[in-house]
Amino acid sequence: KQEVTQIPAALSVPEGENLVLNCSFTDSAIYNLQWFRQDPGKGLTSLLLIQSSQREQTSGRLNASLDKSSGRSTLYIAASQPGDSATYLCAVPGGTSYGKLTFGQGTILTVHP
Amino acid sequence: ETGVTQSPTHLIKTRGQQVTLRCSSQSGHNTVSWYQQALGQGPQFIFQYYREEENGRGNFPPRFSGLQFPNYSSELNVNALELDDSALYLCASSLGNLPNEQFFGPGTRLTVL
Repeated sequence: KQEVTQIPAALSVPEGENLVLNCSFTDSAIYNLQWFRQDPGKGLTSLLLIQSSQREQTSGRLNASLDKSSGRSTLYIAASQPGDSATYLCAVPGGTSYGKLTFGQGTILTVHP
Repeated sequence: ETGVTQSPTHLIKTRGQQVTLRCSSQSGHNTVSWYQQALGQGPQFIFQYYREEENGRGNFPPRFSGLQFPNYSSELNVNALELDDSALYLCASSLGNLPNEQFFGPGTRLTVL
């Protein structure tokens, strides 16, 4: 059974700081890994999708890496801004249903001015 | 390109009642997945529909049922509502029955009293 863990559960940083969010998964036979952002009470916004054959994916100030063999992914946010405050979730497909996404619990990020 | 939409935004029901939630897929997508997200938790997979057929189901009882229509919109029906069904219900659309990138709607907040 695939399990996804995110560390830390919460993070509070001053504006401008570079930060790293961690995601680990127990079954390394993944097809891809997706990072999402969720604002309070809202839906999920897809940030980055890394295919299993890739090691990195970048979008603006965001960079996600994937190490399948160790079952880990990191989301790097450069020069954080108050608008980055949200919950960040990682998810991998697979398990009992091929299209099912298994999510971590999320990291609650607060960037204060 | 139209994104994923869900209706209604909020819903209040009493225990024992039945509810229907609706989802319209992103243009061109033929796969819909439904997730339940309790407060402070990551989303949990309910089921997925691909070309009007159920294509996988999570660990939810039969009172959770769904439909996908020829235009690929979808419904989630929950019978005999319980207090623990109170959650944010998220719909996601994707292309094909491979684990491709999933795009989420804004969610429906269901409160069961």
